[in-house]
Amino acid sequence: GEDVEQSLFLSVREGDSSVINCTYTDSSSTYLYWYKQEPGAGLQLLTYIFSNMDMKQDQRLTVLLNKKDKHLSLRIADTQTGDSAIYFCAERRSSASKIIFGSGTRLSIRP
Amino acid sequence: EPEVTQTPSHQVTQMGQEVILRCVPISNHLYFYWYRQILGQKVEFLVSFYNNEISEKSEIFDDQFSVERPDGSNFTLKIRSTKLEDSAMYFCASSYREGNQPQHFGDGTRLSIL
Repeated sequence: GEDVEQSLFLSVREGDSSVINCTYTDSSSTYLYWYKQEPGAGLQLLTYIFSNMDMKQDQRLTVLLNKKDKHLSLRIADTQTGDSAIYFCAERRSSASKIIFGSGTRLSIRP
Repeated sequence: EPEVTQTPSHQVTQMGQEVILRCVPISNHLYFYWYRQILGQKVEFLVSFYNNEISEKSEIFDDQFSVERPDGSNFTLKIRSTKLEDSAMYFCASSYREGNQPQHFGDGTRLSIL
């Protein structure tokens, strides 16, 4: 089946690290993505990882992939107020065009 | 940085009317997509388009929907006879390749059917 699951809400203190978790069901998923959606805006591609990788780091963002458990996480270091948004986990199989999205995790930042 | 642009940002239409949503993909991209997000629900795939043909479509993309690339820059989604349940945010996306290149999304068109 095709399903991507995320928790709906995450609240962190400014300056702390945020970790957003995601699980997917399709073991043939080849590409895994994190998109960010700010209020009233579109889906901004943050980062992506291929299924043959375990980790990818890009400045404050770290993506970890556990393919055995079908678990993907996004860590945002030194979380800032500008990081407040909805974060979508998504997957795509190499044989398909479509991206399958999770429900999104709303990240809120406490002062 | 090049981006996908969508117009209009908000479209209000009477039920039963035809609506055309417009998108200008990133200029050197070859693959084009439409997704929609009904309020409170997940982003859902509608259709992908390459080389002037539909390459994949979902169950949602029934006969009332059509896509077209009328010229070298625009990519449109037409809904022939709109229903109340077509109210959603519609996102256009494009990618250079379908393989290891990610899809880049526009800001969306909010479609409201009255």
